[in-house]
Amino acid sequence: NAGVTQTPKFQVLKTGQSMTLQCAQDMNHEYMSWYRQDPGMGLRLIHYSVGAGITDQGEVPNGYNVSRSTTEDFPLRLLSAAPSQTSVYFCASSPRTSGAYEQYFGPGTRLTVT
Amino acid sequence: AQSVSQHNHHVILSEAASLELGCNYSYGGTVNLFWYVQYPGQHLQLLLKYFSGDPLVKGIKGFEAEFIKSKFSFNLRKPSVQWSDTAEYFCAVNAWGYQKVTFGTGTKLQVIP
Repeated sequence: NAGVTQTPKFQVLKTGQSMTLQCAQDMNHEYMSWYRQDPGMGLRLIHYSVGAGITDQGEVPNGYNVSRSTTEDFPLRLLSAAPSQTSVYFCASSPRTSGAYEQYFGPGTRLTVT
Repeated sequence: AQSVSQHNHHVILSEAASLELGCNYSYGGTVNLFWYVQYPGQHLQLLLKYFSGDPLVKGIKGFEAEFIKSKFSFNLRKPSVQWSDTAEYFCAVNAWGYQKVTFGTGTKLQVIP
């Protein structure tokens, strides 16, 4: 199993550009999530999904869209990039064992917005 | 809403020293608790987890954590650290029936040979 994969690994955008960060998992996990990691702020939840066709907002959803058309894929779209979105983005998935969300993380995408 | 605090932002230890990293959460009901580790340049990996039962949980690489419900704490411990334990450690909480997982701000551990 590849686990959770993310592409690209690095990306530089200009302010106002849009792009999609890809995330895929091959573990048949129902739960998937996106986090951003910033120095001194830990991981903050952007959006999450409990299954295909179901998504919801996390702590910091503004400026980001998600969709979940299949169990495997959970792309994150930046609508109009801003310098404040410079961050490392992690995708994670979870089998929701015993009602708890033990998560498996992807390798991350380092995004710089100039 | 659930929240989690990690009071130690940066810890420096010599090899063989004992480690205890603090984690406190705020939520009045039943919780699931996690510690994750992020080695330099790598993604987060699960170190250990508490769902229910024995409040002392053992994880990988000799780490353990104790859930103390009365103190809303889930501190991470290791009797003797190694240089390879240099990493950032994150505590996380997930309240039962709540679909979100909240992470602390992380503690950077530097182990000096």
